[in-house]
Formats: sequence, structure tokens, C-alpha cells
Amino acid sequence: AQTVTQSQPEMSVQEAETVTLSCTYDTSENNYYLFWYKQPPSRQMILVIRQEAYKQQNATENRFSVNFQKAAKSFSLKISDSQLGDTAMYFCSEAGYRNSGNTPLVFGKGTRLSVIA
Amino acid sequence: GAGVSQSPSNKVTEKGKDVELRCDPISGHTALYWYRQSLGQGLEFLIYFQGNSAPDKSGLPSDRFSAERTGGSVSTLTIQRTQQEDSAVYLCASSLAGTGSFSYNEQFFGPGTRLTVL
Repeated sequence: AQTVTQSQPEMSVQEAETVTLSCTYDTSENNYYLFWYKQPPSRQMILVIRQEAYKQQNATENRFSVNFQKAAKSFSLKISDSQLGDTAMYFCSEAGYRNSGNTPLVFGKGTRLSVIA
Repeated sequence: GAGVSQSPSNKVTEKGKDVELRCDPISGHTALYWYRQSLGQGLEFLIYFQGNSAPDKSGLPSDRFSAERTGGSVSTLTIQRTQQEDSAVYLCASSLAGTGSFSYNEQFFGPGTRLTVL
């Protein structure tokens, strides 16, 4: 069984500051990816960053980086130099992959982030 | 190129009526997923298609929910005898083939259909 837990329903951050969103997960998959998705009010899910579980190096995409602790099953997202456009719901998710196909994404309940001017 | 599209964008219906939600995946994407996003909840998986077959229907909440996919492209999610608890945003995602590759294929999401059951 796969579960993803986001313990922070809401967070806020001042513009230009740094914020970290928490996520823990549990999975029975041997091969899996972890993701952070952003969902603005438009409802469009946007992939922010992905981490392959077999890679020890933390993924980075411009202002977004993750802290992946595999043994602790923790996958937090750090947003640096926060911008007003970062205001959105952020979902942590996990999916496995096998030769027989990918497993569906399993999502946490989300963290609503507000960036304050 | 065109992304995943869904129609209608919003649907208001009365309790007990049937509704059909449509998803047009990205051309060439053989894998298609339906998810439901209820208020205060994360996204929950409903059903997965590989081509026209559905190897995983484990997320469908009841037998009032069904889905089909034709021509390996368009998919329709049907909810019969809608209930108020069916009110949610229904999201569709597509990806390249998920079989035989032993790698993860990114899912691309549509804008969703917001269903309101009165």
C-alpha cells in the first residue's frame, strides 16, 4: 500500500523569503518516483519537481529543491526567493514503475501556500 | 502541441441524474488516468487505461461509476444516479506507454471538470 502525508494544511511566507513544505510517504514499491505538483486557482496541475528514489542526490529546479531522506521516507520541498506567483496548493505524490507499467499517482492532501507581499 | 483537454469545464446536475465527463488525452499517449479531487481532500485515483483496456479500476468508489476509452484516445467517465457526495473536481491525466519501458512516464493533467450535484 502507498500513502503520502502532508502535515501542514496551510502555510504562508513573505515574498523573497524561503519556505519548506513537509511530506512523508510509505510505499511497497521497489522502484518509485516522488513528485511535487503545484495547483493554482486555475486547477491545472503543474509538475514542479521530481525525484527518482534510487538517486541519492537531491533534485533541484531553479528556486525549487527537495530534501529527500529515503530511510526516513521524507520528501520536503524548499522554495527559495518566494514569489507571488508561487501562491497555490502544493501536492506531494508518489508513483511506482515496473516493466508492466506505471502505478497511478498517490497524493497527499496538499498544503495551501500563500506568498505575502 | 495541444495538452490534455476535458469537457465540460463545469457541470451542475440534480441528484439522481446521470452525467458524462470527457477527456481528450495528448495525441500518442496510450496511458490515461482519472482522479477525483474532493473538497479538503487530495487527489484520489479512480481508474487507469492502457490503450482501450482498464487494468486497474480499483479506485472507482461504487458501481455507479464507470469509464470507457475508445480508439485508444478519448475517454468518458460516467456517473449514474449522482449523489451529493459525488461533487468534486474530476481530473484526467495521460502519459506515454507505461508498459515494457521500466521507467516512469510523466503524467500530464487536464484542467478538470468541476461537478456540482444539487
